[in-house]
Amino acid sequence: QKEVEQNSGPLSVPEGAIASLNCTYSDRGSQSFFWYRQYSGKSPELIMFIYSNGDKEDGRFTAQLNKASQYVSLLIRDSQPSDSATYLCAVNRNSNLFFGTGTRLTVIP
Amino acid sequence: NAGVTQTPKFQVLKTGQSMTLQCAQDMNHNSMYWYRQDPGMGLRLIYYSASEGTTDKGEVPNGYNVSRLNKREFSLRLESAAPSQTSVYFCASSVSIRETQYFGPGTRLLVL
Repeated sequence: QKEVEQNSGPLSVPEGAIASLNCTYSDRGSQSFFWYRQYSGKSPELIMFIYSNGDKEDGRFTAQLNKASQYVSLLIRDSQPSDSATYLCAVNRNSNLFFGTGTRLTVIP
Repeated sequence: NAGVTQTPKFQVLKTGQSMTLQCAQDMNHNSMYWYRQDPGMGLRLIYYSASEGTTDKGEVPNGYNVSRLNKREFSLRLESAAPSQTSVYFCASSVSIRETQYFGPGTRLLVL
């Protein structure tokens, strides 16, 4: 079983819509959770991190964590074409960061 | 502030050749990491250094060695390159081992 699982997509949403990206993790001992965005040919850049159950909002982005279900999600409101990228979920366990394979998001103008 | 820098940006090697990938950060971070990224596999940790003077294996350390030269610099060495090591290599750093990691621009390595 993989440490972190994501649907590879592609996920296509129209401009202005809400994009919902999901991630599950296998180890209940996981301590912190991160969402990175990666444009094609570029390096990952941090969007958000979340440590506690519930929601965390930052501008158009909301991260949601449910430790009981071992589930992390990222909502992008008012999606823009510039949001088109691969979104990586990462989970920190025992000082190691484990990444999912990413979900490719396309926002259609 | 340059953040995390990596050299070279791109390299072609023949099987059996050796090379060192360089990484430096100017954010006064304690922890540094080396990842490789392959299609369909995601980012995988090769080695990390929690603090100056320490290094530890990650998920895929075979075929690699690392050196934490000082607080700023963390190098990755391939002693005898193999085609399976063709990948994009990212260096990252963080304030401490469980904090947010910031990535360098990457090195694309092709082993023929």
